[in-house]
Amino acid sequence: QKEVEQNSGPLSVPEGAIASLNCTYSDRVSQSFFWYRQYSGKSPELIMSIYSNGDKEDGRFTAQLNKASQYVSLLIRDSQPSDSATYLCAVNLNSGGSNYKLTFGKGTLLTVNP
Amino acid sequence: GAGVSQSPRYKVAKRGQDVALRCDPISGHVSLFWYQQALGQGPEFLTYFQNEAQLDKSGLPSDRFFAERPEGSVSTLKIQRTQQEDSAVYLCASSFAGQGLEQYFGPGTRLTVT
Repeated sequence: QKEVEQNSGPLSVPEGAIASLNCTYSDRVSQSFFWYRQYSGKSPELIMSIYSNGDKEDGRFTAQLNKASQYVSLLIRDSQPSDSATYLCAVNLNSGGSNYKLTFGKGTLLTVNP
Repeated sequence: GAGVSQSPRYKVAKRGQDVALRCDPISGHVSLFWYQQALGQGPEFLTYFQNEAQLDKSGLPSDRFFAERPEGSVSTLKIQRTQQEDSAVYLCASSFAGQGLEQYFGPGTRLTVT
């Protein structure tokens, strides 16, 4: 099992819809979870961090964490064409006590159609 | 304020050449990370510094890779005798502290080995 898994997509949604991006991780004791957005040819940009079970909202973005199910998701409400990008899930896996480095999924490519 | 900066943004090297990639982290950030990103993949951890101390270099692919941060600020990733498989984007990230906190990425250096 890969340590951080994402559906690679592509995920296509119409403008104004809700985009739902999902991620599972292998280490039950992981504490810190992040979503990055990466436009083609650019570097990852941090958009959300979440540390506790439940929901965290920031504007049109909501991150959801369920540690018991080892699952983290990102919802994008009122999707815009400018949201079209690859979304990377990153986890501070706690394997071997190295809770500083990020382990990334392969990313989900999101396309928002006007 | 200023973000993480990296130079050069693009580097073409002939196989066997040595290259040096520079990272200037966000001012005041104690922790600095290097990641390697292959096309279509998420970034992969290379090495971690806390101030000037290199606390983890477990992700460096071979002994041809060397990183330093002598004064606890700017860092250099050096690759000796480059090989074609070294072609990738090298990303630097910094964080106020290492464990579990948000990491902010620079624009990356795209290395192409011919």
